[in-house]
Amino acid sequence: LAKTTQPISMDSYEGQEVNITCSHNNIATNDYITWYQQFPSQGPRFIIQGYKTKVTNEVASLFIPADRKSSTLSLPRVSLSDTAVYYCLVGDGVYSSASKIIFGSGTRLSIRP
Amino acid sequence: SQTIHQWPATLVQPVGSPLSLECTVEGTSNPNLYWYRQAAGRGLQLLFYSVGIGQISSEVPQNLSASRPQDRQFILSSKKLLLSDSGFYLCAWSVPGSSGNTIYFGEGSWLTVV
Repeated sequence: LAKTTQPISMDSYEGQEVNITCSHNNIATNDYITWYQQFPSQGPRFIIQGYKTKVTNEVASLFIPADRKSSTLSLPRVSLSDTAVYYCLVGDGVYSSASKIIFGSGTRLSIRP
Repeated sequence: SQTIHQWPATLVQPVGSPLSLECTVEGTSNPNLYWYRQAAGRGLQLLFYSVGIGQISSEVPQNLSASRPQDRQFILSSKKLLLSDSGFYLCAWSVPGSSGNTIYFGEGSWLTVV
């Protein structure tokens, strides 16, 4: 599994766009990039996944440059309810039947009124 | 649709007592199963993962153990709890061979060792 590096914490205000960047310099050809969101006393939940370029869903957008050595999770017009820890994971899962999924420390996002 | 349940949701146990947390997955076959622990304010620590019945890989060789007696059942146990075992325990599953790292979590179990 490729190691990831992301900021420990970020602060923003309601209505702003928030971008969280994750570095994964050793990403492999078969690796996908997956982001999770975790609220207190809950398990992480899947937000978005991508392989290259841009992916968008109803919750967020994921931007992946051509070299795939980093990715940016973009949350449009955040609200107080977006306060959570966000994890970036990189791995394939396709060729590995023993998928050992390890979470890093994540980014603690705090949204203020 | 697939669902995952774990229980109990909360428990308070004295030091030295045994532990059993149970997790079941419905709506899928031969899932990969995981146990994670999260101490207060900390990140997720992978404890065990399993790719099939009776196949357990341990990431944390402490006083905890895991078993998978059935395809969709995963049990976390301890014979003698330590104070440091306190935390939030999460069971999770993923589809073998699926793209990326898509993993689904249960509701979690809060364990307080006193």
